[in-house]
Amino acid sequence: LAKTTQPISMDSYEGQEVNITCSHNNIATNDYITWYQQFPSQGPRFIIQGYKTKVTNEVASLFIPADRKSSTLSLPRVSLSDTAVYYCLVNNAGNMLTFGGGTRLMVKP
Amino acid sequence: GAGVSQSPSNKVTEKGKDVELRCDPISGHTALYWYRQSLGQGLEFLIYFQGNSAPDKSGLPSDRFSAERTGGSVSTLTIQRTQQEDSAVYLCASSFTSGTSSYNEQFFGPGTRLTVL
Repeated sequence: LAKTTQPISMDSYEGQEVNITCSHNNIATNDYITWYQQFPSQGPRFIIQGYKTKVTNEVASLFIPADRKSSTLSLPRVSLSDTAVYYCLVNNAGNMLTFGGGTRLMVKP
Repeated sequence: GAGVSQSPSNKVTEKGKDVELRCDPISGHTALYWYRQSLGQGLEFLIYFQGNSAPDKSGLPSDRFSAERTGGSVSTLTIQRTQQEDSAVYLCASSFTSGTSSYNEQFFGPGTRLTVL
């Protein structure tokens, strides 16, 4: 199983760009990298997914270097409502999602 | 429906009692997943269904836990003889399909908060 490692927590201020890096040294050739967001008392919500290079959607960007052993989720100009736990996952065979502890992002005014 | 729904939203039970948790996936989603989340922790995979069959039951913590899915839709997670360590939020997710070489986004329900006294 590809295991992920990410910071336990991060603090930021409104309007700043936030970058959360995740390590996944044992990622397999067919694995995708996916990020989920979870607010208190809610189920996780899909943010973005990528395989290599860069992916951007209306919410975030995902940067993946050539060796794919890490990835960085970039949230542009965060607001208070971005305060949440962010999970980095590497999809393994059978679609079982292995969630780590996630990164608890606190956005301050 | 518009999203994954779960019932009940909260369940308080006494140690030793059986509980049933229900999940209604998004219409048309063939894959269904159960996870457990303890307070302040990440999610723990329990079981997943493809249609009515469960190819992967590896995450079920003990034989007190079982799950079924009928008609390729609704799923029920049953916990027998509940213990205090079973207290957690039980989350259900569904996706359009499952495969081994590509990823399909999983849509999560709001969860059922189980408290065993």
